[in-house]
Amino acid sequence: DAGVIQSPRHEVTEMGQEVTLRCKPISGHDYLFWYRQTMMRGLELLIYFNNNVPIDDSGMPEDRFSAKMPNASFSTLKIQPSEPRDSAVYFCASSFKTGQDNEQFFGPGTRLTVL
Amino acid sequence: EDKVVQSPLSLVVHEGDTVTLNCSYEVTNFRSLLWYKQEKKAPTFLFMLTSSGIEKKSGRLSSILDKKELFSILNITATQTGDSAVYLCAAAAGNKLTFGGGTRVLVKP
Repeated sequence: DAGVIQSPRHEVTEMGQEVTLRCKPISGHDYLFWYRQTMMRGLELLIYFNNNVPIDDSGMPEDRFSAKMPNASFSTLKIQPSEPRDSAVYFCASSFKTGQDNEQFFGPGTRLTVL
Repeated sequence: EDKVVQSPLSLVVHEGDTVTLNCSYEVTNFRSLLWYKQEKKAPTFLFMLTSSGIEKKSGRLSSILDKKELFSILNITATQTGDSAVYLCAAAAGNKLTFGGGTRVLVKP
């Protein structure tokens, strides 16, 4: 299995532009998570899905952020319009099931720089 | 609000030393405590602990959970330069993980 796949790996954009980050979870995993990591705030959960349905988006910082999961093998995180303070590494992670198995597998991340 | 705090923030040791990393948590509906290692890329899973007092070991790494005092420790014995990384702990509540800020470990030759 290729693991969690994210694209692009690096994104540099200008303030005000729309940014779309993409994620393909591990096949068969029921849960998909989007995280943001910064030096100041560490690793923060933004939103997670179960069986393609958003379950908790309380970590989404504001309305400029949106996430979708149209099918079991694809999710997007969109920022519109982007701002310099959105600069961070965005990780997607997936996990197989709930219960005691909370292990999440992380993708390589997308490093976003907003100028 | 759920909170996970790690200490120390960073430490520098020499090869062969033993390090102990601390993680305390305050999480509603706590389920398990996870440790991850992050080098320059994505966090990679080390341990998941669900029961108090039962040590988990993997090679030179070991970890234990105290659910009464709400903390966990991660030990690394006979450290090697390849152990240099940021170590993250995360408390699971339901399906969500709340991460601590991490401990940056630098192992010098």
